[in-house]
Amino acid sequence: GQQVMQIPQYQHVQEGEDFTTYCNSSTTLSNIQWYKQRPGGHPVFLIQLVKSGEVKKQKRLTFQFGEAKKNSSLHITATQTTDVGTYFCAGLEENQGGKLIFGQGTELSVKP
Amino acid sequence: ETGVTQTPRHLVMGMTNKKSLKCEQHLGHNAMYWYKQSAKKPLELMFVYSLEERVENNSVPSRFSPECPNSSHLFLHLHTLQPEDSALYLCASSQDLGDGETQYFGPGTRLLVL
Repeated sequence: GQQVMQIPQYQHVQEGEDFTTYCNSSTTLSNIQWYKQRPGGHPVFLIQLVKSGEVKKQKRLTFQFGEAKKNSSLHITATQTTDVGTYFCAGLEENQGGKLIFGQGTELSVKP
Repeated sequence: ETGVTQTPRHLVMGMTNKKSLKCEQHLGHNAMYWYKQSAKKPLELMFVYSLEERVENNSVPSRFSPECPNSSHLFLHLHTLQPEDSALYLCASSQDLGDGETQYFGPGTRLLVL
């Protein structure tokens, strides 16, 4: 079955450093979504990418969808303590309806 | 506030108890989901309902029994659970069940089975 892998599992950075998490699927995806879960909170939808090679930005966050639509990345520029949390990607396999497969998440901690 | 509420927020139960988790969405969505989130594991999809009909059951043990009486409410009935069932149970909804619908999550019920 479809697998979605995220790396790294944990990332500790100093405030102001950049951070990137990578998401890789064993199969081609029709779209990919990113969620953020703060400590003690629930996942919150961030963005959805649909097109091959798509790049979207939200302030300091940059999301990319690979050309082959099998991988994605989330890059945060100049991290802040408010960026702390776990970032999940979730992919939808092509030709499958409605079920997202979540990666295991990357937990980001930021030292002030 | 995401428009998806869950009660209770915390639950402690013994292995012989029967309890129910409740989810309510105020977004007018047609699809609802139950997920299980255990420590250090990916989200596990448990059940999917679309227009009150179950469309997905990911080989979940029968001690978990879902119920969707209408498109706004989703229940998860729990009976004779095991300690390994302790986890955060998340409910989510989306406008429809389809390609890439954005899912909106509730705050979750943190369950501890003793």
